[in-house]
This record gives sequence, structure tokens and C-alpha cells, in this order.
Amino acid sequence: ETGVTQTPRHLVMGMTNKKSLKCEQHLGHNAMYWYKQSAKKPLELMFVYSLEERVENNSVPSRFSPECPNSSHLFLHLHTLQPEDSALYLCASSQENRGEQYFGPGTRLTVT
Amino acid sequence: GQSLEQPSEVTAVEGAIVQINCTYQTSGFYGLSWYQQHDGGAPTFLSYNALDGLEETGRFSSFLSRSDSYGYLLLQELQMKDSASYFCAVHGNTGKLIFGQGTTLQVKP
Repeated sequence: ETGVTQTPRHLVMGMTNKKSLKCEQHLGHNAMYWYKQSAKKPLELMFVYSLEERVENNSVPSRFSPECPNSSHLFLHLHTLQPEDSALYLCASSQENRGEQYFGPGTRLTVT
Repeated sequence: GQSLEQPSEVTAVEGAIVQINCTYQTSGFYGLSWYQQHDGGAPTFLSYNALDGLEETGRFSSFLSRSDSYGYLLLQELQMKDSASYFCAVHGNTGKLIFGQGTTLQVKP
């Protein structure tokens, strides 16, 4: 248990669906991240929020929409996804500008 | 740009010592991190080197040479449970982590 929780753990959705992934951290950190991990690929940084402001958007398609209502919660809203978006989506948190990040268990997403 | 190189696979026997190397290219550098990830699990933070030298945490040690843009993770007294993927990650001047491709370590009896 790292202090970072994610729900749901597994999600299957069609290409026309809309769903949201949720992340919550109980560590008092002020930065939160979304990563995508596909098979045989390194973790790809998607979004960074620092002090609840988005500071990084790593050329992610607009069908992924992040939201950070406060320093403990992070959402990833999904709509009209493609099959190639099937992957493990990981949330992480840290104190700003620290190389030590704590990851949640991830959401295994399958787009059919 | 930023890039990291680490071996894709390493195999070792129980009780042995294994070293996983990581070389990097980055436009700015704050430090090098190492993470462990078991199959189906989340990455777990192992170590962070901001300065040159060796950091030891139990059976795991991590080394950094900033002048050589090189680091390594050393695992001693290998156990079967150490079978996992190990990622190095550069903490660059943008404040974010850039991860390597990962090294799959297989520990054999």
C-alpha cells in the first residue's frame, strides 16, 4: 500500500463510451501525474499537476482530459477512445520537483 | 532531447550479485531514480541519486556518475522475489521523470 489509490482497477469500454478514472493520494504531496504503460514500452508521462495547476501536457490526444479538483484527487476523463489506447494507466504523486514518486496500482483499460 | 539506455533483460541465480546499468542523455539533470515493477503491479520507488557516488539501502545499492551520464543499480544476495522489471528514470530540469525501457531481471534457483 503506497498511499495512492486508483479506481476502477479494471475497465472495459467501447469506443463510443465516456468513463473516468479516479486517483486519490493520502501522502500530503503537492504534485500528481498520469502515466500510460503499454506492453513492452516504458512509462509514458501524460499529464503533470503541480499545486493543482496543469504544468505538463505531453502531446496527449484530446480524447483524454485530466482534472485536478484539489491536491489529493486526480481524474482522467475518457471519451471516444481507440483500441490502441488499451493500456495500464498509472497515477503517481510526489512532493514537487522530487525524483521520488509513489504510484497507485493502476487501471487496466481495454477499449473494444 | 532526453533518452535513457538500459539492458532489456538480465538473468542471474539466487544468491548472486547483479548490476543493471543505465546511461542517459538529458538537457538538464537533477537526479537518477530507480523503480521496481513486478508483473501486474505498480512501479515501486527504490532509490534516488542526486550526487555522484554510491547509495546503499539494504541489499540494493545505486550509483551515479554525473560526468559520465551513467548510473547503475546493484542487487546483492539475489532472491527469487527480486524477479521483476527495473526502470531507471531521469529527473530533468522540467521537473518530470523520464523513464527508461526497463530491464527484466529473471532470478533462477
